[in-house]
Amino acid sequence: NAGVTQTPKFRVLKTGQSMTLLCAQDMNHEYMYWYRQDPGMGLRLIHYSVGEGTTAKGEVPDGYNVSRLKKQNFLLGLESAAPSQTSVYFCASSLWTGVSYEQYFGPGTRLTVT
Amino acid sequence: KQEVTQIPAALSVPEGENLVLNCSFTDSAIYNLQWFRQDPGKGLTSLLLIQSSQREQTSGRLNASLDKSSGRSTLYIAASQPGDSATYLCAVKGTGGFKTIFGAGTRLFVKA
Repeated sequence: NAGVTQTPKFRVLKTGQSMTLLCAQDMNHEYMYWYRQDPGMGLRLIHYSVGEGTTAKGEVPDGYNVSRLKKQNFLLGLESAAPSQTSVYFCASSLWTGVSYEQYFGPGTRLTVT
Repeated sequence: KQEVTQIPAALSVPEGENLVLNCSFTDSAIYNLQWFRQDPGKGLTSLLLIQSSQREQTSGRLNASLDKSSGRSTLYIAASQPGDSATYLCAVKGTGGFKTIFGAGTRLFVKA
């Protein structure tokens, strides 16, 4: 099991450029999430998905779009990058075990927007 | 609105010391609380998950407690080692929806 993987690991964008971050999980989890982590702050939820073909807004969704066309993949898109989107992005997945939701995280993508 | 606070933001201790990390939350209507470890430049690794009906969970040298009424959780690390140096995050899942609120973390440094 690779668990949760993220592509790419690092990226530098110019203001106004677009890009897509890919998250993949091989644990057959229903739920997937995108977070951003900024210095001195906790992780904040951008968007999440409760199953293939579904997406929902989290705490800080503006400037981002997502898609979940396949159960194992969750894509995060930036249509027009801004310096405020410089951050470390984490993808996570979780499974309802009948007792709890426990989240498993990917290694992160460090994005710099200049 | 749920807020999660972790104090202190950073902690340095000598090897072998027992230590306690604190996490407080403002809304006691939680579903569970999870403690994570994050190494520099890495993702989060789950350490312990406590359901709202539980008071504590233990794994090896780690013990996490939960007191919903006071809005507090502690992570106890026994006989600390340099390999325990990392940032420790607590995260609270509320009873409604899928949102998990994270604290900003406590950066721990264990000196050899």
